[in-house]
Amino acid sequence: AQSVTQLGSHVSVSEGALVLLRCNYSSSVPPYLFWYVQYPNQGLQLLLKYTTGATLVKGINGFEAEFKKSETSFHLTKPSAHMSDAAEYFCAVSGATNKLIFGTGTLLAVQP
Amino acid sequence: SQTIHQWPATLVQPVGSPLSLECTVEGTSNPNLYWYRQAAGRGLQLLFYSVGIGQISSEVPQNLSASRPQDRQFILSSKKLLLSDSGFYLCAWYRGSVGANVLTFGAGSRLTVL
Repeated sequence: AQSVTQLGSHVSVSEGALVLLRCNYSSSVPPYLFWYVQYPNQGLQLLLKYTTGATLVKGINGFEAEFKKSETSFHLTKPSAHMSDAAEYFCAVSGATNKLIFGTGTLLAVQP
Repeated sequence: SQTIHQWPATLVQPVGSPLSLECTVEGTSNPNLYWYRQAAGRGLQLLFYSVGIGQISSEVPQNLSASRPQDRQFILSSKKLLLSDSGFYLCAWYRGSVGANVLTFGAGSRLTVL
């Protein structure tokens, strides 16, 4: 079975500050890991994904995430937050099935 | 290019009434199709997925059902809605090998049950 835990349902940062959103996964098979973003009343949009190879993955809008197998983590970071980054972020895992399992989400607020 | 449509976008229904939410995908064939529900504080819950016409896998016991009458059509239904069915319903698809492919989501259907 696979699962994802996102630590912190709400994160608030100041504009220009570092963004760090935490994600830990559980998987009995090598995982594929994803971060999605959701703006209010919209569907989800892919930020980045890890499948194999390089463990540091770069995505859209300046976000990146690092796959750390020893820590079973896939934290999302951005060096400098922008007001437009305010949204809900979801970490997800899939493996040897057709299913994508999501975490409960982290709502990011960016303060001016 | 591929697109995914969901309708209606917003729906307010009384308890005990039926439900039908529709999702269609354009520009691809034989996609894997998914229904997720997003309820406040509970993240995204996978409700159903389908790998082909008439093939439905249910993830959680609930008051809802799904059908796939055509290759690119996925319908979420209920005979009698409950208050707990309120939420934001998202349809998604991908095509290809399992695992590493990216899900593409529709814009969602917001259901309020009163």
